[in-house]
Parts: sequence; C-alpha cells; structure tokens
Amino acid sequence: QVQLVESGGGEVQPGRSLRLSCAASGITFRNFGMHWVRQAPGKGLEWVAAIWHDGSNKYYADSVKGRFTISRDNPKNTLFLQMNSLGVEDTAVYYCVTDRSDAFDMWGQGTMVTVSS
Amino acid sequence: NFMLTQPHSVSESPGKTVTISCTRSSGSIAGNYVQWYQQRPGSSPTTVIYADDQRPSGVPDRFSGSIDSSSNSASLSISGLKSEDEADYYCQSYDSSSLWVFGGGTRLTVL
Repeated sequence: QVQLVESGGGEVQPGRSLRLSCAASGITFRNFGMHWVRQAPGKGLEWVAAIWHDGSNKYYADSVKGRFTISRDNPKNTLFLQMNSLGVEDTAVYYCVTDRSDAFDMWGQGTMVTVSS
Repeated sequence: NFMLTQPHSVSESPGKTVTISCTRSSGSIAGNYVQWYQQRPGSSPTTVIYADDQRPSGVPDRFSGSIDSSSNSASLSISGLKSEDEADYYCQSYDSSSLWVFGGGTRLTVL
C-alpha cells in the first residue's frame, strides 16, 4: 500500500535550519506532483510548497518564500524541504502529500517541527 | 488572492444531517474545483470529497458535496450522522494567483 513517511523534524532554535525528508513507497513517485502542508498546534492546515513530478517547477507560500526550498530525488523516491531562518511561527506538524489535479490526495503521518529558544 | 471562509464549529445529533459551508471571497467558486478533507483527532487529513462533488472510493454516500454560484460557496453535507463523523473538516481550492488555499476548518460535534 501507499506509504509516505516524513522524518527530520525536531526542536531547533530560532534562526537555525532543518531539512525534512519524505520517503515514498507503493506509488510510482516520479509520476506525482508533491506538496508540503503544515499545521500549527491547534490551528488549521496551511499549504507550504509544491513541486512538479519532474522537479521542473516549484511553488511556495508567501510565508516561507525565500527561506524554504522544496526538492526531490526521484530515483530515491524521496521529497525534501530545506527550511532556513526558522522562526517560532514555523512551529507545526509538516505533512508530505501527493498532488491529484491541484488537490491533495495521499498524506503522510507528519513530522513535528518546534522552533523555540 | 482569495480566501475560503468556513464556520468555526457546527453540531448536530446522531442520525441527523449537517451542512458545512465554504464561501470564496473573490473569484468564482465554479472556476476551480473544491475539495473537502476530514481530520479526526490525532490523525492526518483524508479526502471525503474532491472535484466539488466526487467521493473517493471507501467514503460512504452519506457524504456529499455541492457548489452554489449564487452565494459563491461550496457545501459539504453529511447525512445519518454517526459519532465517527466527529472531526475537523477543511475545504480547499486553487487558482493560479493564490495557489493552494484552505478554509480555516470547521469542528463538527456529534451531540
């Protein structure tokens, strides 16, 4: 069955960096556009970033533009999110999600990122 | 850029029908598909409606979606409410300017 397994979350100080990974299995990863979606504690869902199936196009929410970079390694079936200059407002569960016609389809279990001094 | 506005919470009794609205602030609700996601406590979201009114396999037909151009809104209806339907529900749509947008979410309580 389909599995999306995020990793790389943890606690980090403001201003530092973190790199999230999402390992995909049970799907032909190279055929899927992918997203990162986050959810701050007790809050709603927020789209963060998207990447086309071949990595040729990338899109970012205004809140992370210039600080976060989405990338992928298709031969290794892995999605990444490089997060720099982290602030307390970036504290959230980060979900890896497959795209289906500009909608969100299959979701991982999420990885928690806590930015705190 | 557009926003999607949902009621913060709704509640209804088991066996009844509840409807959750999602109003688009600008641009036509019919211009881009609307999706609905269910998120039970402690779990990842799952899709209950995609492309305005389509149900993924495995989602019971008690769940239905619709759009109303006159009010520029989408709706999720759940009939025959069960305790297992108690969850947060999010609408979502897309356009080329705002990209992917979620509503703020609606907490459904089954009394």
